[in-house]
Amino acid sequence: KNEVEQSPQNLTAQEGEFITINCSYSVGISALHWLQQHPGGGIVSLFMLSSGKKKHGRLIATINIQEKHSSLHITASHPRDSAVYICAVRPGNQFYFGTGTSLTVIP
Amino acid sequence: ETGVTQTPRHLVMGMTNKKSLKCEQHLGHNAMYWYKQSAKKPLELMFVYNFKEQTENNSVPSRFSPECPNSSHLFLHLHTLQPEDSALYLCASSQDYPTMSQHFGDGTRLSIL
Repeated sequence: KNEVEQSPQNLTAQEGEFITINCSYSVGISALHWLQQHPGGGIVSLFMLSSGKKKHGRLIATINIQEKHSSLHITASHPRDSAVYICAVRPGNQFYFGTGTSLTVIP
Repeated sequence: ETGVTQTPRHLVMGMTNKKSLKCEQHLGHNAMYWYKQSAKKPLELMFVYNFKEQTENNSVPSRFSPECPNSSHLFLHLHTLQPEDSALYLCASSQDYPTMSQHFGDGTRLSIL
């Protein structure tokens, strides 16, 4: 069993739709990261969260440390949002990653 | 441009070949990482170097051999690989260790024939 579980695994949306990706984890952490991986392979960090909510443009990330759950929301989705979104946590010196959610936004 | 450059981008090799993957970071970071990403599986941390010293080796088979000659360069030497080693190999760097605030390269897509 993976320490980080994401849902859904795959998601297809029409342009403009509101999108939610969920992440649950089973280990104690102080912060959680959301990463974006484009088809070319490179990964960029979107958010680091330790509590509450963060917003960057059309992206919103929330976390509930007590429930060990985080969500990534995309408002007014666009085809350029098509990517794999990965949730990651670091308890101590260990790094745990979700398997990713593959998002395709259709024009 | 993330400041982390990996070469080559693609590599096809036979099981008896010896090859090396290269990673270079221009960010002045002190820690560098190798990850393996296989289809439908989470990222797997393979090795970590902090100030050129290896700090993590997560039970990686000896057919993978890392080298960190300085804080800006990281190599992954490959020999006698198996078909299941076909994957995307990602390099990352960070200012400090441990942290998830890492900058990733675009990866090397490795195919073992």
